[in-house]
Amino acid sequence: DVKVTQSSRYLVKRTGEKVFLECVQDMDHENMFWYRQDPGLGLRLIYFSYDVKMKEKGDIPEGYSVSREKKERFSLILESASTNQTSMYLCASYSGRGRHEQYFGPGTRLTVT
Amino acid sequence: KQEVTQIPAALSVPEGENLVLNCSFTDSAIYNLQWFRQDPGKGLTSLLLIQSSQREQTSGRLNASLDKSSGRSTLYIAASQPGDSATYLCAVETDKLIFGTGTRLQVFP
Repeated sequence: DVKVTQSSRYLVKRTGEKVFLECVQDMDHENMFWYRQDPGLGLRLIYFSYDVKMKEKGDIPEGYSVSREKKERFSLILESASTNQTSMYLCASYSGRGRHEQYFGPGTRLTVT
Repeated sequence: KQEVTQIPAALSVPEGENLVLNCSFTDSAIYNLQWFRQDPGKGLTSLLLIQSSQREQTSGRLNASLDKSSGRSTLYIAASQPGDSATYLCAVETDKLIFGTGTRLQVFP
């Protein structure tokens, strides 16, 4: 079974802190994604990556950056956390071959105070 | 711009009912359509994926259909159970996944 893991289930940070959210997948997937999910807004794509050291902006990249130094790991970075970044963050991956079925991690509930 | 809509936003049914969740999208140029389940505070679990060339997919009590030309998909759940209570999301893949806002389903005993 594909497994996508995220470093924390719950995280509380202060405004202005630098925050790292880590995502690791164990199925050699090329494609990895970071979404945030907010009530009434659904899932919105922040950044994605099609390969190591590649990154592409999604729909709402402002205030975020990413890092993909290894194929299995995709990190989301909040350079200076703000209260409007309080959200549920979801990581996903899929293989570029075949069905393109996306697999999601369990999510990180981030609260910025 | 591709938009995905799910109706109804919420649904409450007694156990044992057969039910249909609807998903519509505005642009038929999609690679595939996926249905996901999300339990409260958790990540998404893929239920069914329908390639653009397919009409339907089945898994157990779930059946999903796709009519690409009309921009519609339905998820049929047979003989619903309390354990089916969750939010169901559909998403279409173009150059990325575009999600609907989901249908929150409650099945009561």
